[in-house]
Amino acid sequence: NAGVTQTPKFQVLKTGQSMTLQCAQDMNHEYMSWYRQDPGMGLRLIHYSVGAGITDQGEVPNGYNVSRSTTEDFPLRLLSAAPSQTSVYFCASSYLWTGVPSGEQYFGPGTRLTVT
Amino acid sequence: KQEVTQIPAALSVPEGENLVLNCSFTDSAIYNLQWFRQDPGKGLTSLLLIQSSQREQTSGRLNASLDKSSGRSTLYIAASQPGDSATYLCAAFSRPNAGNNRKLIWGLGTSLAVNP
Repeated sequence: NAGVTQTPKFQVLKTGQSMTLQCAQDMNHEYMSWYRQDPGMGLRLIHYSVGAGITDQGEVPNGYNVSRSTTEDFPLRLLSAAPSQTSVYFCASSYLWTGVPSGEQYFGPGTRLTVT
Repeated sequence: KQEVTQIPAALSVPEGENLVLNCSFTDSAIYNLQWFRQDPGKGLTSLLLIQSSQREQTSGRLNASLDKSSGRSTLYIAASQPGDSATYLCAAFSRPNAGNNRKLIWGLGTSLAVNP
């Protein structure tokens, strides 16, 4: 198993550009989520999904869109990049049991994004 | 609303010491609590997952305990080594009536340095 994969590893964008961060898992996990990690602020949830076609907002969803067309993939779209979105982005996945993430959370290696 | 706190924020110990990292949560209605390790510039690695019905989990030199009544979890590291140097994070999944359904609530982490 490759686990959770993220691409790209690094990205530099100019203000106003859009892009998609890719996340894929091969463990047949129903639950997938996106976090951003900033110094002194810890991990903050952006969006999450409990299955194909079902997504919901986390703490900091503004400026980001997600979709979940398959169990495996959960891309994160930045609509119009801003310097405040400079961060490290992590994707994670886990099993669900009776609708609750019940197992270990598996994390991808992260994408380091800089917006100038 | 569930809040997770980790104290201390940073810890420096000589090699060989046994040490305890603390994680507190404000609402005892949790599904599970998970401990992670993060090395500088890297992603998160799951160390131990404790379900709400369990009191502790062990893996090698690591032992994590859970006391829901007091709202505490501890991560015990035996015979610490320089390779244990990293940031350790805990995160809790709250039950629906705690208002944080299907979202992990994160502490800010304890940065551990084990000196040779």
